[in-house]
Amino acid sequence: QVQLVQSGAEVKKPGSSVKVSCKASGATSSDYIISWVRQAPGQGLEWMGRIIPILGIANYTQKFQGRVTITADKSTSTAYMELSTLTSEDTAIYYCARESGIYCSSSNCFGGYFQYWGQGTLVTVSS
Amino acid sequence: DIQMTQSPSSLSASVGDRVTITCRASQSINGYLNWYQQKPGKVPNLLISAASTLQSGVPSRFSGSGSGTDFTLTISSLQPEDFATYYCQQSYTTPPRFGQGTKVDIK
Repeated sequence: QVQLVQSGAEVKKPGSSVKVSCKASGATSSDYIISWVRQAPGQGLEWMGRIIPILGIANYTQKFQGRVTITADKSTSTAYMELSTLTSEDTAIYYCARESGIYCSSSNCFGGYFQYWGQGTLVTVSS
Repeated sequence: DIQMTQSPSSLSASVGDRVTITCRASQSINGYLNWYQQKPGKVPNLLISAASTLQSGVPSRFSGSGSGTDFTLTISSLQPEDFATYYCQQSYTTPPRFGQGTKVDIK
């Protein structure tokens, strides 16, 4: 069974950066696609981006373009999400999730579903 | 980007009720539609993929249907453990956007 274990809660100052990790264990493959989804307090789910190790690329949603970087370390089966220039509106739970059933080309991915989720990492941005 | 709109945003129902949640895409997404359940303080859980494929371990009272732009999640007989928020999510194109959620609570 796949498990995704995320790093612990963070408290950050406005303007700083945060880096959250997501380590996969179980039936793992370094080529699995990992997405990052966040959920602000009392709000819905918001996809931020994904890492596609087999293509060596990452996709980001436009809202976070230029502020988020998603990477992966194949040797340790760990994905990372770094978000910079934090504001109070970035206070949220950040989840990593493995996308199963997905097909990706260099221009698009489709068909995926978030089958396995990390436990979530609370990031609080406060002065 | 494809926008996903769920209705209703919330509903109150009783144990044993049949519940239907609707999800509409701003353009055709064929059958690339997934449903998730999230209980308070918990991680989202995948219920249905590709509009109608029930995930392993998910009770058969849950079902999904639809294609194109209109999809439904149906709970045939609501159970106490089903009170939660439900999200649809399109996977036809990037970004894989979620609906705003439908909260199902006790009448």
